[in-house]
Amino acid sequence: AQRVTQPEKLLSVFKGAPVELKCNYSYSGSPELFWYVQYSRQRLQLLLRHISRESIKGFTADLNKGETSFHLKKPFAQEEDSAMYYCALKGDFGNEKLTFGTGTRLTIIP
Amino acid sequence: DTEVTQTPKHLVMGMTNKKSLKCEQHMGHRAMYWYKQKAKKPPELMFVYSYEKLSINESVPSRFSPECPNSSLLNLHLHALQPEDSALYLCASSQAVGSRSYEQYFGPGTRLTVT
Repeated sequence: AQRVTQPEKLLSVFKGAPVELKCNYSYSGSPELFWYVQYSRQRLQLLLRHISRESIKGFTADLNKGETSFHLKKPFAQEEDSAMYYCALKGDFGNEKLTFGTGTRLTIIP
Repeated sequence: DTEVTQTPKHLVMGMTNKKSLKCEQHMGHRAMYWYKQKAKKPPELMFVYSYEKLSINESVPSRFSPECPNSSLLNLHLHALQPEDSALYLCASSQAVGSRSYEQYFGPGTRLTVT
C-alpha cells in the first residue's frame, strides 16, 4: 500500500520568512514523489518532482529515503505563494496510481 | 494546445437521471485519468486509461461507467447516482503510463451535485 502524510492542514508564514511544508510517505518499492499546487480559482498543477531535482518558483524538495520524507522548502516566502499544496506519490513501473496527501493550505502574511 | 478541457463546468442531476461528463486533450497524451475530489479533501483516483484501454479501476461503483472512445477523449457516464456522489470530478492526462516522471495535467473539473 502507498500512503502520503502531510501533517499540517494549515500553515501561515510571514512574507520573507522561510517556508517548509512537510511530507512523509510509506511505500515498499522505489516511489516517485511530486508536489502539486492549486492557486485560488486555478486548476491543480505540478510544482516539482524529485527526479528532476529542479527549483521552481524558488521551491526545492529533496527526497530523503532514510526518513521517507519529501519536504518542500523555500528560503523567502512571497505573497503569491499562498495556495493549497499537495504532496503525491507514484509507485514503481506498472503501478500508475498517484496517491495524494491531504494537502497543506499555505497562507503568506504580508 | 496544452490544456485539458472538461464539460460541463457544473452539473445538477437527480438520482434517476443519466448524464455524462466529458474530458478532452490534444497534447498527444496516451494516458487519461478520472479523479473524484470531495470538499477539503485530496483528489482520489477512480480510473486510468492507457492507450484507450482501462488499466486501473479503483473499485468504483458500477453507477460510474468510464469510456475512452479515442486517444483524445474520455467520458464518464453517470447513472442512478446518490447524493454522496456529489463532488468535483477531475480529469487528467499524461504522456503514457509505464514510464517514469510523466507529469499529469489536470482539467478544471466538473462540479457535480446529485439531488
